[in-house]
Amino acid sequence: QVQLVQSGAEVKKPGASVRVSCKASGYIFSGHYMHWVRQAPGQGLEWMGRINPNTGDTNYAQRFQGRVTMTRDTSISTAFMSLSRLRSDDTAIYYCARWDVWGQGTTVTVSS
Amino acid sequence: DIQMTQSPSSLSASVGDRVTITCRASQGITNDLGWYQQTPGKAPKRLIYAASSLQSGVPSRFSGSGSGTEFTLTISSLQPEDFATYYCLQHNTFPLTFGGGTRLEIK
Repeated sequence: QVQLVQSGAEVKKPGASVRVSCKASGYIFSGHYMHWVRQAPGQGLEWMGRINPNTGDTNYAQRFQGRVTMTRDTSISTAFMSLSRLRSDDTAIYYCARWDVWGQGTTVTVSS
Repeated sequence: DIQMTQSPSSLSASVGDRVTITCRASQGITNDLGWYQQTPGKAPKRLIYAASSLQSGVPSRFSGSGSGTEFTLTISSLQPEDFATYYCLQHNTFPLTFGGGTRLEIK
């Protein structure tokens, strides 16, 4: 079945970077955009951007431009989201999503 | 950015009730809208795509309607497992934007 499995929880210090992975299975990885969405504690959903796994082309939300990088490795059907210069308000659950299928979420905690 | 105004932000209802949640877009988005359900500690789950198409495996008590700027999600007869938070998402224009959410609680 179609599945997205994300990497485990991360704890980072302010100013550091984090990379979250999302391994796809059960479908042709290059055939569907992969989106990244985050959810701060007790808050709503926020779209961060997307990557075309076939071409590597990306679209980022303006507020993350310059800090976020989305990449993919088609040989292992995995998408990656890196966020740099972390701040405490980046503490959130980060999801990858194909819209009809979502990863389980990765908790990123930013704390000194 | 397109603002998605979702209402109500919270709602109390009973099992068996019919409920309607609304999303209003700040500009036209044709039918590029989905509805998502999220229960505590879980990832969101898509219920409706293209404004009115039911996602495979989703019970038929869920339905969506609308086009342009006004959209609704209707649950025809609430079941205990439906008490959750619901979000709309527009994917017409970057940046994609979610509504603020509707928390559906048991009365």
